Amino acid sequence: GAGVSQSPSNKVTEKGKDVELRCDPISGHTALYWYRQSLGQGLEFLIYFQGNSAPDKSGLPSDRFSAERTGGSVSTLTIQRTQQEDSAVYLCASSSQTGLENIQYFGAGTRLSVL
Amino acid sequence: DAKTTQPTSMDCAEGRAANLPCNHSTISGNEYVYWYRQIHSQGPQYIIHGLKNNETNEMASLIITEDRKSSTLILPHATLRDTAVYYCIGRRGYQKVTFGIGTKLQVIP
Repeated sequence: GAGVSQSPSNKVTEKGKDVELRCDPISGHTALYWYRQSLGQGLEFLIYFQGNSAPDKSGLPSDRFSAERTGGSVSTLTIQRTQQEDSAVYLCASSSQTGLENIQYFGAGTRLSVL
Repeated sequence: DAKTTQPTSMDCAEGRAANLPCNHSTISGNEYVYWYRQIHSQGPQYIIHGLKNNETNEMASLIITEDRKSSTLILPHATLRDTAVYYCIGRRGYQKVTFGIGTKLQVIP
C-alpha cells in the first residue's frame, strides 16, 4: 500500500485478555518501529526492527509486551494479560535505511481501550 | 536526539504564512532536523527535514540558520486543516523518534 497500515483502528478489551495489533509497513521499508502514545502525552518508544538484526526491545515496558516481524514485513505487537494502564494509541512507523537520513512514516494507530 | 525547544502555542490567520520556530542549540553535525505534525486523533505526519541547507517541498519550507542552532518551519498559506501540534526533532540514522510537547498551531478563520 501507499502508507503504513495498522489494524484494527480501535480495540476494546477486558482487563486480563490478550490482544494482537498488526502493522503493515510501506513496501520495501526495512526498518519498523512501535510506539505508544497515552492521552495528551508524547511518543513512547517500544521496539525497533531492522532487517534481520536482533530487534531493539529496550522500550518494552514489561514482559507482557512482545512483538515479532515475519518475513521482514508485517509486524504484530502482542500484549498479554492487558491492564487498564495499557490503554493508549499504539503507533507503528517504517523507514527505508539511507544512512544518516531516516524518515519515519507513521500509521494511523490502533486505539486500545482496556476496560 | 538533540534537545529542542518550541513555543507551546501559536495562532495564525487563515491564508497567512505560519512561521514556527525551533531552537536546537545542542544539535550535532550529523543530526538532521525533522518536522512532523499531529492532527487530533491521527498518527504523526512527516512534513520536511534538512541538514544545513534550506529545504522546500509541497507542504512547507524549512529555514535552518547557518550555525544550525535553530530553524523555522514555514507553512506559506495556512488553512484550517493545518491546525495541529507541530514537532521539531533532531536525530540521525535509525534513532527512535522522540517528540517533546511541540507547538500547538491554531489557524483562525
